[in-house]
Order: sequence, then structure tokens, then C-alpha cells
Amino acid sequence: RKEVEQDPGPFNVPEGATVAFNCTYSNSASQSFFWYRQDCRKEPKLLMSVYSSGNEDGRFTAQLNRASQYISLLIRDSKLSDSATYLCVVNRGGSYIPTFGRGTSLIVHP
Amino acid sequence: NAGVTQTPKFQVLKTGQSMTLQCAQDMNHEYMSWYRQDPGMGLRLIHYSVGAGITDQGEVPNGYNVSRSTTEDFPLRLLSAAPSQTSVYFCASSSLRGAFQETQYFGPGTRLLVL
Repeated sequence: RKEVEQDPGPFNVPEGATVAFNCTYSNSASQSFFWYRQDCRKEPKLLMSVYSSGNEDGRFTAQLNRASQYISLLIRDSKLSDSATYLCVVNRGGSYIPTFGRGTSLIVHP
Repeated sequence: NAGVTQTPKFQVLKTGQSMTLQCAQDMNHEYMSWYRQDPGMGLRLIHYSVGAGITDQGEVPNGYNVSRSTTEDFPLRLLSAAPSQTSVYFCASSSLRGAFQETQYFGPGTRLLVL
């Protein structure tokens, strides 16, 4: 099993739709979690950190489920500009080597 | 603040040539790192540094060297380029909280083609 797994997609959704991605991780010692967004041929940029209590930023909600070892990202009211690849990142305790998932591609169409 | 800068943006090398990819950050971050991104493979860590004078290997260090003489700069050197090193290279930096990186800030990337 890969250390961090994501469904590569693409998720093809209409504007205004709600879409959710999951990211599973295998190492129970993982302690910090992030979602990054990467536009085509650009660098990754932080979308949001994922806290144990969950967090919300406008249309975006991130959740952590430690028991089942996954994090999720929910996007409500999708916009055309949300089209991108979403990367999850997991940091193990005591390691300076973060693990990136391969990303989930989202395409929002009119 | 310029954030994280990388040069060059594009480079074509012949097999066996050497070159240095430059990376600089102006955020006074302790942690700096180099990744390569290949289609279908995601980002893979090559080398990282937690401060000036300290470097360590990531997941795919073979064929690459790094040094960290200052907080700001973290160059990546390809010793003898091979076609397998054709990739997009990203430099990133972050502050540290104990044993964890905080948010990583990425440079715009260097697209390298080795013929």
C-alpha cells in the first residue's frame, strides 16, 4: 500500500456542484496534514491545513479521520477557477520528509 | 518579499553535462528542500536542509548534490546529467515547528530536459 493515496480523477463537475476528495495515509504516526492546489505547469500552493477538529475556509472544508486514516476536502458551489490538481501532504512525527499524494484532478465546466 | 525564486526556468542539457539549479528565499526559513515532479509520480523529495550547514537526503537523492552555506540559498547540483533526470524541479522553503515543517512555499519550478 502506498503511503499516501489519492484518486487521480479527473472529477468532472458542473459549476455550482459540491465535490469531495479523500486522501488515505498508511502511517499511523502521521501528525500533520495539508491540502495544496496546483494549477497546470505551476507550483503547488497551500490551500489549507487540516486540523483534528476540521477546518473551513469559505467554500472549502477539510476534515481529518484518524481512526480510518484519511483526510478529506469538500468544495461547495464549485467555480470554473477551482479547476486544478489537489495534492494532499502528510508529515510523520519526527520526520522532515513530507509525503505528497499524486493528486486529484478537478475539472469544473460551465 | 520575492518569496522563493528559482533559476533558470528552462534548461536543456546533454547527457553527462553538469549544472546547478539555483534557489533562494527571503523569508528567513530554516527548512529548504528540492523536489522533482514527474507525470504520474507526484512530488518526490531529493534533498532537504534544516539550516545553514545542514543537509540530508530525501527519497531520490542519487545523482544530485546540495549545499547550504547561507539561510537564503540552497543550490541543487546535477553531477552528470542523465535522461532519467528530465523532470520539473521545485524548490520549497518553510519555517519549522519542532520536528515539523509549517506551510511550504514553492518556487516557480525549473523545467529540465536531458538529451
